[in-house]
Amino acid sequence: EADIYQTPRYLVIGTGKKITLECSQTMGHDKMYWYQQDPGMELHLIHYSYGVNSTEKGDLSSESTVSRIRTEHFPLTLESARPSHTSQYLCASSDPGTSGVSYNEQFFGPGTRLTVL
Amino acid sequence: RKEVEQDPGPFNVPEGATVAFNCTYSNSASQSFFWYRQDCRKEPKLLMSVYSSGNEDGRFTAQLNRASQYISLLIRDSKLSDSATYLCVVKDTGRRALTFGSGTRLQVQP
Repeated sequence: EADIYQTPRYLVIGTGKKITLECSQTMGHDKMYWYQQDPGMELHLIHYSYGVNSTEKGDLSSESTVSRIRTEHFPLTLESARPSHTSQYLCASSDPGTSGVSYNEQFFGPGTRLTVL
Repeated sequence: RKEVEQDPGPFNVPEGATVAFNCTYSNSASQSFFWYRQDCRKEPKLLMSVYSSGNEDGRFTAQLNRASQYISLLIRDSKLSDSATYLCVVKDTGRRALTFGSGTRLQVQP
């Protein structure tokens, strides 16, 4: 079972509020990711991190920002929430693997379902 | 054109049936392939990796056809618990993360 946690699981908030979605993993993984997924649609990468103090934007443009001050923690912040931010946000982590392949399994947290009114 | 394309389904099959899903990918340089399973309102979980020689895990068989740029997933003797969305996932050379298809929904009926 994966040890990756997200809080809150559900959040309903008004327009203009600042929010932070928390993500923590206890597996010591260097790589962490944030995805956005609308119902019935594919996951879109919005942020990723290779390690502490390393963050980059993903394929899908997002008004959110992230930080990686500690290996285990990768929070996502929206400075001013809008209804267009309503979606599910999934955090994931992975390690380099041991077989010589540069990628190994991604483990996902349970997600945060955000609704902005 | 999407980088990873799947038939969204739903595939409605009776228990015990054999069902197959295909997925096509656009980047011929893609290096790694996976099937993930996602239950309704839950997070995706790795079902199996897809190797060039094909691989089997119990009732599940995955195959890769690089020439035609598609991967497949075969499920034999379907169980009610197999009902879920199956995500085709590709790792491209030079890309830092995975590319997910939008998924194929399977509904196994009693």
